[in-house]
Amino acid sequence: DGGITQSPKYLFRKEGQNVTLSCEQNLNHDAMYWYRQDPGQGLRLIYYSQIVNDFQKGDIAEGYSVSREKKESFPLTVTSAQKNPTAFYLCASSFGQPYSNQPQHFGDGTRLSIL
Amino acid sequence: SQQGEEDPQALSIQEGENATMNCSYKTSINNLQWYRQNSGRGLVHLILIRSNEREKHSGRLRVTLDTSKKSSSLLITASRAADTASYFCATPITQGGSEKLVFGKGTKLTVNP
Repeated sequence: DGGITQSPKYLFRKEGQNVTLSCEQNLNHDAMYWYRQDPGQGLRLIYYSQIVNDFQKGDIAEGYSVSREKKESFPLTVTSAQKNPTAFYLCASSFGQPYSNQPQHFGDGTRLSIL
Repeated sequence: SQQGEEDPQALSIQEGENATMNCSYKTSINNLQWYRQNSGRGLVHLILIRSNEREKHSGRLRVTLDTSKKSSSLLITASRAADTASYFCATPITQGGSEKLVFGKGTKLTVNP
């Protein structure tokens, strides 16, 4: 079955540590996205990528970094510069253009907490 | 208000009743999408309605769109306990030359057996 796989499901970060969240899709989608969700809130866009080797900052990119070396993979690194990283992180993908007219497919998220 | 904002924030009904959730938005759009999120899981796409459509059905779901009022509603008929989830509307915006979806804060629906 095609889908999006996020790992790990739970992650704990020590102060001063960078951590990387994995996102892999086998849907052959061009676009991939990272969102942050805080309790009782909607989704806020961190980064997105519409093509391999290209990505754009979203609304809350500070303290985060991404790479898109392969179409299937879009890992997110939460750096030590992100002072409030505790949240639920969701990865999504969509097919084709225009990107805002396409349904997004989501993974099951990674819950990040501070130790 | 945000680009997409759901109302009410929370809704509790009995199994078998209908549930109606509303979404208001600010700018002109070419489509509006509804998603469901079960607790601790990712979002699942439910319906996309285009700006030239007024109503769309999918099983027990009915979505309406009123572009003159900049609002949409999601109706779930004959609700079941399994419909318990948060429901989000998403609207497209163009920012800095790029298109993206903006999600509201959601309506938390509880269906009591």
